[in-house]
Amino acid sequence: EDKVVQSPLSLVVHEGDTVTLNCSYEVTNFRSLLWYKQEKKAPTFLFMLTSSGIEKKSGRLSSILDKKELFSILNITATQTGDSAVYLCAVEGNTDKLIFGTGTRLQVFP
Amino acid sequence: EAGVAQSPRYKIIEKRQSVAFWCNPISGHATLYWYQQILGQGPKLLIQFQNNGVVDDSQLPKDRFSAERLKGVDSTLKIQPAKLEDSAVYLCASSVLGQGGGYGYTFGSGTRLTVV
Repeated sequence: EDKVVQSPLSLVVHEGDTVTLNCSYEVTNFRSLLWYKQEKKAPTFLFMLTSSGIEKKSGRLSSILDKKELFSILNITATQTGDSAVYLCAVEGNTDKLIFGTGTRLQVFP
Repeated sequence: EAGVAQSPRYKIIEKRQSVAFWCNPISGHATLYWYQQILGQGPKLLIQFQNNGVVDDSQLPKDRFSAERLKGVDSTLKIQPAKLEDSAVYLCASSVLGQGGGYGYTFGSGTRLTVV
């Protein structure tokens, strides 16, 4: 059965800290891994990763994929209170549907 | 480009009542998905349409849930009768055929259902 596991489930940090969110997966016919940020209801797209070892970067956020070990990490440097959200990892197989992990709830305090 | 439209935004019903959610995908997106997200969990796919045909409904509780996508555009998801455990956010998403993943996948703002 396809599955996606995220850790930690919850994280509390202070502004300025750096955090690393983890995502491991088992999926048939892997096509891509995606990271989303969910603040209220609709997940918003952050990154899509398809190749191992190539870092994707957007401002203070970056992510990398290891297809051999079947995991990805999402790094956020110099965290801000606006980074507080649930971060979802999802994996896409060959059927266009996404399989999500349970998410990591990040809380950033001033 | 208009996004994925969903309505209503919130709904509170009593158990055993029925409820319906509506979704209008992005124009030209052939694939439409309904996800259920229970509090503290990630979204779970309920049903996937390609145009007006069902591709995957393996996790749809068919004894109480139904969905349709007439004319391959708008879709409705219905629950009848509702149970307490159906309380969740129902997310609709759409993508261009064969271009799933982040570049093609767009989520609506969701409907938060509370069953009391």
